[in-house]
Amino acid sequence: AQKVTQAQTEISVVEKEDVTLDCVYETRDTTYYLFWYKQPPSGELVFLIRRNSFDEQNEISGRYSWNFQKSTSSFNFTITASQVVDSAVYFCALIQGQNAGNMLTFGGGTRLMVKP
Amino acid sequence: GAVVSQHPSWVICKSGTSVKIECRSLDFQATTMFWYRQFPKQSLMLMATSNEGSKATYEQGVEKDKFLINHASLTLSTLTVTSAHPEDSSFYICSAARTGTVTDTQYFGPGTRLTVL
Repeated sequence: AQKVTQAQTEISVVEKEDVTLDCVYETRDTTYYLFWYKQPPSGELVFLIRRNSFDEQNEISGRYSWNFQKSTSSFNFTITASQVVDSAVYFCALIQGQNAGNMLTFGGGTRLMVKP
Repeated sequence: GAVVSQHPSWVICKSGTSVKIECRSLDFQATTMFWYRQFPKQSLMLMATSNEGSKATYEQGVEKDKFLINHASLTLSTLTVTSAHPEDSSFYICSAARTGTVTDTQYFGPGTRLTVL
């Protein structure tokens, strides 16, 4: 069985602050994929990143960066210099195995509020 | 590429009526589609996995007779909420996994907000 835990239910920051969203996962499979999605108030899920279990390289995309550590089963997401438009619910998710047709397990989500 | 649409985007219906929600992969074929339900301020909960040409696999606690899923083609899956009641009011989201890929991502539709009066 797989499980994704996002311990932070809500985070509030002031614009331009850096913020890290935590994600801890559990899986018995050695092959798996981790994802982050953003859900703005409109409701539509926006894909942010996919990382496979064999690639522990950290990734940076603009103000976004991801830290994948298999040793601690964590896949944390950092937003640098946060902006009001970053306000949304962020979900970490896991697919066990390597087939996109496998079940995607979501964490509980972290609601990020960026205040001007 | 990899666009998934849902129709309608929102629907309001009376208690006891049935509502059909469509999920389409617009520019790719999807052997597998998924249906999720999301209540306010909660995470997405998988309802069922739908494979083209076969019966859907429902998650525990989801009534298959109430939530009818049909995946008749590689680009279309439908979810019918039969005899809807106010407790079925929720945000329903579908996703599609592209056929023929091993490691591809699931693509999500924009969701359908159902309100049952």
